[in-house]
Amino acid sequence: QVTLRESGPALVKPTQTLTLTCTFSGFSLSTSGMCVSWIRQPPGKALEWLARIDWDDDKYYSTSLKTRLTISKDTSKNQVVLTMTNMDPVDTATYYCARTPLGVFDYWGQGTLVTVSS
Amino acid sequence: DIQMTQSPSSLSSSVGDRVTITCRASQSISSYLNWYQQKPGKAPKLLIYVASSLQSGVPSRFSGSGSGTDFTLTISSLQPEDFATYYCQQSYSTPRTFGQGTKVEIK
Repeated sequence: QVTLRESGPALVKPTQTLTLTCTFSGFSLSTSGMCVSWIRQPPGKALEWLARIDWDDDKYYSTSLKTRLTISKDTSKNQVVLTMTNMDPVDTATYYCARTPLGVFDYWGQGTLVTVSS
Repeated sequence: DIQMTQSPSSLSSSVGDRVTITCRASQSISSYLNWYQQKPGKAPKLLIYVASSLQSGVPSRFSGSGSGTDFTLTISSLQPEDFATYYCQQSYSTPRTFGQGTKVEIK
């Protein structure tokens, strides 16, 4: 059974760095072809892909956010971590992690709402 | 980046209606197009992958078609549990991109 769960702060202040952790089970990120992505969704708005990390540690980022994002993995802990620097109120959103074989988001976490406010 | 455009942005339909949602890519993406359903307060759920393959457990009233730049999601007979927002997403190239969503509401 594949599960993913996001964790991190619910509230961050402007200019702070956000760190989110995706803890997963039911698959291994060391399996060839396996990937995990982060996706966000501002309230009432569409989905936005943020970043992806592959089984071979290749990393990919959103064009518009790549200077602010870092993705990493700890295969032994079954975790993927996303950091986003210089948070702004427009970054208020629900952040999801998703298993991503072959570019398809087939399993998602329940999401974690992050509010950016002073 | 490849831009994905869905139409309509919203629609109102009745239970039993046939519903069609379209998605257009800004360049050819072959068949690398996926569809998701999202209900309020929930994570998206994969419905269709590579344009026309039904994800395990998804009812057969959902179907997808298309290739190149133009794609369609069809619900053959709308059920009460199908009222939701639907998103297309291309997996042809990175960065992955989503459409803006189509909200299916009850008429």
